Amino acid sequence: DIQMTQSPSSLSASVGDRVTITCQASQDISNYLNWYQQKPGKAPKLLIYDASNLETGVPSRFSGSGSGTDFTFTISSLQPEDIATYYCQQYDNLPSYTFGQGTKLEIK
Amino acid sequence: QVQLVESGGGVVQPGRSLRLSCAASGFTFSSYGMHWVRQAPGKGLEWVAVIWYDGSNKYYADSVKGRFTISRDNSKNTLYLQMNSLRAEDTAVYYCARGGGATTVWGQGTLVTVSS
Repeated sequence: DIQMTQSPSSLSASVGDRVTITCQASQDISNYLNWYQQKPGKAPKLLIYDASNLETGVPSRFSGSGSGTDFTFTISSLQPEDIATYYCQQYDNLPSYTFGQGTKLEIK
Repeated sequence: QVQLVESGGGVVQPGRSLRLSCAASGFTFSSYGMHWVRQAPGKGLEWVAVIWYDGSNKYYADSVKGRFTISRDNSKNTLYLQMNSLRAEDTAVYYCARGGGATTVWGQGTLVTVSS
């Protein structure tokens, strides 16, 4: 099975900062990579699909890049409402849709 | 309004069974693959199972294979998860989610607690 290694596991940043989270797959997954945001007590929300495509209605400060095994998720200018846990997820390797371990983002 | 509503969670003893339901509305249910994803208390997301739009294919995480069964009734716009031989480690909030590769719509989740 494909393993997804997400880092860091937690991150503290200031409002306005550029924030970057990485996700590494244990084997080539092409661009079959999603990014989700989850706020406490809420269901996850899709932000980025196919590694770099912004889901409809998601602010443009969120972006994703990468292909193969290495992927990056970026918030260009951190806002207070972005405090959440972020997860990557691969869907190249059926029958598994593996999630990364998550990155908890806090305001400094 | 596109909506998924899970039900059927609760407290159950180890070794017993439980069936979760996910009622879909506001979209053509029979056109979409559907997933179950769970989250243990204070932990990350774990994908559980997926079913193709027509029920023709079903896949499971290794942790539930042979114990859980995903199914759907497109005439009732409802997704199911039959959970047998439940274990303490199955305790989690269970979400249903719409989509193939990317899951764009999620329910609010239903809590399953496996405890004696």
